[in-house]
Amino acid sequence: DTAVSQTPKYLVTQMGNDKSIKCEQNLGHDTMYWYKQDSKKFLKIMFSYNNKELIINETVPNRFSPKSPDKAHLNLHINSLELGDSAVYFCASSPGQVDSPLHFGNGTRLTVT
Amino acid sequence: AQSVTQLGSHVSVSEGALVLLRCNYSSSVPPYLFWYVQYPNQGLQLLLKYTSAATLVKGINGFEAEFKKSETSFHLTKPSAHMSDAAEYFCAVSAGGYQKVTFGTGTKLQVIP
Repeated sequence: DTAVSQTPKYLVTQMGNDKSIKCEQNLGHDTMYWYKQDSKKFLKIMFSYNNKELIINETVPNRFSPKSPDKAHLNLHINSLELGDSAVYFCASSPGQVDSPLHFGNGTRLTVT
Repeated sequence: AQSVTQLGSHVSVSEGALVLLRCNYSSSVPPYLFWYVQYPNQGLQLLLKYTSAATLVKGINGFEAEFKKSETSFHLTKPSAHMSDAAEYFCAVSAGGYQKVTFGTGTKLQVIP
């Protein structure tokens, strides 16, 4: 069983469209994250939820809206997609303690044309 | 505030040679430090972590790292490189109340046969 799974794996869309990425973890973790990895492999945290509550919200355009229906799921909805949104988006989970490692999904490669 | 600096975006070694990937950190509180590996088209996987129990940390695949507080460093080493070690390596730091993990910019390891 995949521990952290994201769908879709690839997403190609046009500017101005709205799209969603889904993430599910079966590890029983309390905390989930969205990270963005750009073309230079730089990883930047976007959001973090702990037990469905938003705890980290970095400087991200408000076109990005996370939603956590329960602690095993964290989805990312993006409105009015722009060329600069093209990146790989990673979902991750952890038990939430400061010394806990993150468990990553395999990423969603978003290409905006 | 916390940050991580990885020296060298690309490192090339011959198969069988020593691998040394450098990481320096900055943190206002005692940090927890991690090394992750990313293979092409995959998410990040934990190699090892430092949580103050021991300064020399052993991880998977023969990697180890030494925490040196005086040098604020956490360099990753492996005595003998294998072709399968070719990947992107990320150093990360976690500190503070909420688990906000900050990643370095990554080092791409190339192993030459």
